[in-house]
Amino acid sequence: GAVVSQHPSRVICKSGTSVKIECRSLDFQATTMFWYRQFPKQSLMLMATSNEGSKATYEQGVEKDKFLINHASLTLSTLTVTSAHPEDSSFYICSARDVQGHSYEQYFGPGTRLTVT
Amino acid sequence: QQQVKQSPQSLIVQKGGISIINCAYENTAFDYFPWYQQFPGKGPALLIAIRPDVSEKKEGRFTISFNKSAKQFSLHIMDSQPGDSATYFCAALNTGNQFYFGTGTSLTVIP
Repeated sequence: GAVVSQHPSRVICKSGTSVKIECRSLDFQATTMFWYRQFPKQSLMLMATSNEGSKATYEQGVEKDKFLINHASLTLSTLTVTSAHPEDSSFYICSARDVQGHSYEQYFGPGTRLTVT
Repeated sequence: QQQVKQSPQSLIVQKGGISIINCAYENTAFDYFPWYQQFPGKGPALLIAIRPDVSEKKEGRFTISFNKSAKQFSLHIMDSQPGDSATYFCAALNTGNQFYFGTGTSLTVIP
């Protein structure tokens, strides 16, 4: 149980285009989802927290107009990187929590490698 | 400010040896302490977790030791295997529903 999927696993896009990454909880209801960014050999950097049906809460320094997050259902959250630039190239990881189930844990997706050329 | 401090940054252990990774925190509002294992190109996976009301938790070869008064917790991997080679992150969850991660430890187990 507690499986989180991400799609796509890898994406290459041209500078100036937008890219959407999907995060799905497959066997539980994710009342809260998190989006992280990870640079090589570094820890996870929390970008934003989203609760189903409400606007995402962004961490300081994260541009909300550039990283659009939608958590429209209890099993799906999307991250759209708008007008991508090479510096947006990174490993993006989502995680999901079943807060209403009183679980402390968050379950991570497999990550999406974004390369902007 | 790093809320959770992790050491060492890298660790090399012989097969069959014990791997020990340490974490320390300051915020007493943390009430859940998980460890994650991450292989290259993959998302982190929960390894083992502990609440502050116990001092030790063991699952197979993995043990968490928790010292509430010192605000420290550690991961011990017994009988380390080459397949354990990965990056390990400690984390702490506060009552405000936010996780704070350590900086990670790259473990290499030499056959």
